[in-house]
Amino acid sequence: DTGVSQNPRHKITKRGQNVTFRCDPISEHNRLYWYRQTLGQGPEFLTYFQNEAQLEKSRLLSDRFSAERPKGSFSTLEIQRTEQGDSAMYLCASSLGTASNEKLFFGSGTQLSVL
Amino acid sequence: GDSVTQMEGPVTLSEEAFLTINCTYTATGYPSLFWYVQYPGEGLQLLLKATKADDKGSNKGFEATYRKETTSFHLEKGSVQVSDSAVYFCALSDLGDPNAGKSTFGDGTTLTVKP
Repeated sequence: DTGVSQNPRHKITKRGQNVTFRCDPISEHNRLYWYRQTLGQGPEFLTYFQNEAQLEKSRLLSDRFSAERPKGSFSTLEIQRTEQGDSAMYLCASSLGTASNEKLFFGSGTQLSVL
Repeated sequence: GDSVTQMEGPVTLSEEAFLTINCTYTATGYPSLFWYVQYPGEGLQLLLKATKADDKGSNKGFEATYRKETTSFHLEKGSVQVSDSAVYFCALSDLGDPNAGKSTFGDGTTLTVKP
């Protein structure tokens, strides 16, 4: 059990550029979640996968955001045409089972700065 | 929708002092309740959880009791240590919809314990 791994740790980009983040969950964890966190706030849900199926997506999520989990293992989160308001910490979490109240294991996050 | 309200911080205590961090929630269904902790430079990790009314979650000397009548899940510790300095997040997940995957987090309370 090596924990949830996220890459890169930091990303600085210019407004209008596309960025992609990767998350490797704990092996054999069924669910994978993406959250966003800004300074002084708690994590805000973006989307989650059960195996390779994307089961829920926040209504707050712009269509510039897309996430995939092609083989039910790692996941990518892409932001197209980044805006300064996208600057935040992007957190990935995974859980073993399929119940909503499973313990979440979080990665250390990817800090995005849009200039 | 679901929401979690935590007492505002930061909280500064002397070592061996008693800690209470208040958390109240609003949920449409019957939620499970959690406390997560984030130590400096690390990802969020589960501290304790409770899944039904009157359950008490406990870990590392911390306790919280699920109070349905007051919709609360206050975190307590009898004697804090310098190593408890961290950000504490209250969270809930609602089992009402089996496909609903998100957890809803409070904004976090920063605790600093001074020797």
